Amino acid sequence: RKEVEQDPGPFNVPEGATVAFNCTYSNSASQSFFWYRQDCRKEPKLLMSVYSSGNEDGRFTAQLNRASQYISLLIRDSKLSDSATYLCVVKKGGGSYIPTFGRGTSLIVHP
Amino acid sequence: DGGITQSPKYLFRKEGQNVTLSCEQNLNHDAMYWYRQDPGQGLRLIYYSQIVNDFQKGDIAEGYSVSREKKESFPLTVTSAQKNPTAFYLCASSTREYQETQYFGPGTRLLVL
Repeated sequence: RKEVEQDPGPFNVPEGATVAFNCTYSNSASQSFFWYRQDCRKEPKLLMSVYSSGNEDGRFTAQLNRASQYISLLIRDSKLSDSATYLCVVKKGGGSYIPTFGRGTSLIVHP
Repeated sequence: DGGITQSPKYLFRKEGQNVTLSCEQNLNHDAMYWYRQDPGQGLRLIYYSQIVNDFQKGDIAEGYSVSREKKESFPLTVTSAQKNPTAFYLCASSTREYQETQYFGPGTRLLVL
């Protein structure tokens, strides 16, 4: 089992739709979680950190489920500009700061 | 503005040639990383460095070498031993705190002639 797994997609959704991605992780000692966005032929950029209590930033909501070992990203009212690949990133605790990246989920928002 | 710069944006390598990719950061981060990304694939860690004059191999270090003589700089050399070097190379930096995220440079696209 891979350390961090994501459905590669693509997820094809119309503008205005709500879409959700999940990311599962295998190491129960994982402590920090992030979602990055990567546009085509560009570098990944931090979208949001994921906290135990969940967090929201405008149309984006991230949640953590430690019992089932997954994190989720919900995008409401999708825009054309949301089209990108969304990378899940997990860091272990215990002094390790090296992140593990998922392969990403591709989102295509169409008119 | 603080950030990470990589140069060049595009690099062409001839057979048997070593090439060096530059990465500089002014974020005062201790840790720096090199990743390789192939089309449709995730990021794979090549090398990372926690502190000046120290670095460790990542998952795919064969055919690559690095140095960390200054905190701000972490150049990557793609040697002739790397038989399939065509890829998108990303440099990143971070603090060494587990709750802190990484910041990426704009990347270098390496092509073999």
